[in-house]
Amino acid sequence: GESVGLHLPTLSVQEGDNSIINCAYSNSASDYFIWYKQESGKGPQFIIDIRSNMDKRQGQRVTVLLNKTVKHLSLQIAATQPGDSAVYFCAAPDPSGGYNKLIFGAGTRLAVHP
Amino acid sequence: EAGVTQFPSHSVIEKGQTVTLRCDPISGHDNLYWYRRVMGKEIKFLLHFVKESKQDESGMPNNRFLAERTGGTYSTLKVQPAELEDSGVYFCASSLQESTEAFFGQGTRLTVV
Repeated sequence: GESVGLHLPTLSVQEGDNSIINCAYSNSASDYFIWYKQESGKGPQFIIDIRSNMDKRQGQRVTVLLNKTVKHLSLQIAATQPGDSAVYFCAAPDPSGGYNKLIFGAGTRLAVHP
Repeated sequence: EAGVTQFPSHSVIEKGQTVTLRCDPISGHDNLYWYRRVMGKEIKFLLHFVKESKQDESGMPNNRFLAERTGGTYSTLKVQPAELEDSGVYFCASSLQESTEAFFGQGTRLTVV
């Protein structure tokens, strides 16, 4: 079946360093991707999205890169802060369903150390 | 404006019992979704309501799960009878339109013992 998955379950970084979280997907027809942040006790929160007609999109301290050739996307967080500690999910709409019928990756836990 | 709220935040029940989870979407959001994350695995889609109608229930695991949205406002998800493998976190989300951003609630952590 379709899958959207992550390479690493846990990422530990020092405060101030840059973080890179990776995600792979299997369906070459996927044309829209979203990164979510889930803090402890909260639901997933939208961070940034990217469409397949782009290979890079920047937000505030975050950048998403999309490589359609190898079906890979990454989330880069600049100057990581303790408040960035959370589980990060990549997601994409299920091709068989609507925009919000999402397929999620397993998640990567980001731990920021002082 | 209140976000998506879910009740209860935690529930511990015995195998074979019944549990009902509730979701109150953002006011005015016609689209309501249920997802769950079981055993630390991926968050998986369960179903999608448009107002009171089930638009897509392809992710419902079996007939022990029943979702309702009478009146097109809040939604309930009933598990009867609960099994051990139903343990996990159940998320609800809502969106104004089918093609606009969905906002997630904080989730209900269900533990079946």
